[in-house]
Amino acid sequence: DTAVSQTPKYLVTQMGNDKSIKCEQNLGHDTMYWYKQDSKKFLKIMFSYNNKELIINETVPNRFSPKSPDKAHLNLHINSLELGDSAVYFCASSPWGANEQFFGPGTRLTVL
Amino acid sequence: TQLLEQSPQFLSIQEGENLTVYCNSSSVFSSLQWYRQEPGEGPVLLVTVVTGGEVKKLKRLTFQFGDARKDSSLHITAAQPGDTGLYLCAGADSNYQLIWGAGTKLIIKP
Repeated sequence: DTAVSQTPKYLVTQMGNDKSIKCEQNLGHDTMYWYKQDSKKFLKIMFSYNNKELIINETVPNRFSPKSPDKAHLNLHINSLELGDSAVYFCASSPWGANEQFFGPGTRLTVL
Repeated sequence: TQLLEQSPQFLSIQEGENLTVYCNSSSVFSSLQWYRQEPGEGPVLLVTVVTGGEVKKLKRLTFQFGDARKDSSLHITAAQPGDTGLYLCAGADSNYQLIWGAGTKLIIKP
């Protein structure tokens, strides 16, 4: 059973398109995150949700919009994709108040 | 701004050798975690250290939290090719947010 799953695994698209990445966790965790990992492997927090409410919103272009329909899901929608958006995006989850995070397998986004 | 610096950034050694990677900051953390990330996968938690001076062992891996809770080290004894990966440290600040290091890419050659 996959604990944190993301779809799709790979996403190749043209500049200017709109795309979504989905994330689901079956761990019963209250908190979910989106991270961006660039080509130098630096992991940068983008958003954090606790029980469907936004609690961290780092300096991210407003073209990125997270949506949490329930506490097991946190999706990421990206409008007007740019070349610089190419990266691996990771979803993660943790119990509320705990530091340990459980990561999904990542979505490699390539913008052409 | 809190920063976590990892060193070295890259390390390539022969199987059987020992190595140590470091995670340093000028800030105090309530806890510190080490993760390992393999190609094409997400980071996986290895250990959490909480108390200053704490030492934890995971088979051939030894993790230490500095006395002042500002730094940590990971020592691997008799490295094996299966230890290859990106090692990331992450410190929890007073708001329980994680501050991530940039990672140490480790390659163990057979």
